Amino acid sequence: AQSVTQLGSHVSVSEGALVLLRCNYSSSVPPYLFWYVQYPNQGLQLLLKYTTGATLVKGINGFEAEFKKSETSFHLTKPSAHMSDAAEYFCAVTARGSQGNLIFGKGTKLSVKP
Amino acid sequence: GAGVSQTPSNKVTEKGKYVELRCDPISGHTALYWYRQSLGQGPEFLIYFQGTGAADDSGLPNDRFFAVRPEGSVSTLKIQRTERGDSAVYLCASSLGVSSTDTQYFGPGTRLTVL
Repeated sequence: AQSVTQLGSHVSVSEGALVLLRCNYSSSVPPYLFWYVQYPNQGLQLLLKYTTGATLVKGINGFEAEFKKSETSFHLTKPSAHMSDAAEYFCAVTARGSQGNLIFGKGTKLSVKP
Repeated sequence: GAGVSQTPSNKVTEKGKYVELRCDPISGHTALYWYRQSLGQGPEFLIYFQGTGAADDSGLPNDRFFAVRPEGSVSTLKIQRTERGDSAVYLCASSLGVSSTDTQYFGPGTRLTVL
């Protein structure tokens, strides 16, 4: 069975600092990988996804993530945090060839200090 | 354009009551998913529709939960004899196609509280 682990339920960074949110998956076959962001009182919004091809994926709002098969990881980064990045971030996977139901991690709440 | 909408945004009910939660997907989207998000957890899959039929209902926790999508558009999640443990945010998502690479667009959710 597939699973997703997000290290750190809360991450706090200063404005302008590097953002690093960790995600590891467990799957016998590399899945498709997603990062979603949830702002307060809003629905989940897709930041980026990896399906095939280049392992470094660029998303919206300056975020990017790199698929590392050897480490079974898909960490999310942003070089310089902005106050508007404060939100909850979810890593998710779905099995290749499946109907697409997503398996989510527990989420990481990002706080950005001025 | 219009995104996925869910009504009501909040629902408070008493233990043992019946509730219906509605999802309006993006027009033309074939696939529709329901997830449940408990406090402090990520969303958990409940059921998936491809068109009108429930293609996978393996995530429904028990037979008190049922969902329909009679015309392949709007979907209703129905919960009978609600229990306090059913309290959660119920999320609906839709995608244009049925591939696992298709982006799922989420609604804002319905927060269900069972007293």
